Amino acid sequence: AQRVTQPEKLLSVFKGAPVELKCNYSYSGSPELFWYVQYSRQRLQLLLRHISRESIKGFTADLNKGETSFHLKKPFAQEEDSAMYYCALRGGGTSYGKLTFGQGTILTVHP
Amino acid sequence: GAVVSQHPSWVICKSGTSVKIECRSLDFQATTMFWYRQFPKQSLMLMATSNEGSKATYEQGVEKDKFLINHASLTLSTLTVTSAHPEDSSFYICSARPPGSNQPQHFGDGTRLSIL
Repeated sequence: AQRVTQPEKLLSVFKGAPVELKCNYSYSGSPELFWYVQYSRQRLQLLLRHISRESIKGFTADLNKGETSFHLKKPFAQEEDSAMYYCALRGGGTSYGKLTFGQGTILTVHP
Repeated sequence: GAVVSQHPSWVICKSGTSVKIECRSLDFQATTMFWYRQFPKQSLMLMATSNEGSKATYEQGVEKDKFLINHASLTLSTLTVTSAHPEDSSFYICSARPPGSNQPQHFGDGTRLSIL
């Protein structure tokens, strides 16, 4: 079974402060991890994925297999980063293609 | 980029009505599409995987006869909520994945279904 946990439902920071959204997963094989973002009144969109190892909008996330984590980080938060963030896992085998989502974290960046 | 269109965006109807929601991949072909349900302030729960030309694969606890899925072409999947009741009121979201093993899923805007 695959499971994704985002322990923080709400996260508030001030503009310019660092931010870290936590994500832990449970999966027996080699997972693919994603971060999706949903801005107000917009569709869910891909922010980044671990296999790309890239930085999008200043965000980075590193897959830590030892800690089974895929935390999302940004050194200096901006007001436009305020949104709902979902961590998601895609497994293999018979579950291939299916995404399991975490509960989501609402990030609010105050001016 | 890959675009997924979902229609309608909002439906209000009486209890007992059947409602059809369409999901289209606009600029790519999708052999697989996914249907999710999202309750207020909760995460997306996968309902079923829609496979072009074959039967959909439903997640545990999802009624196949209640939520009919048809994936008749490589760009269109439909979800029909049959004989809808107030407890079926929810936000339904579809996604599609372009060809290629490493492609991510792209999501539609979602359909808000309200059953009176």
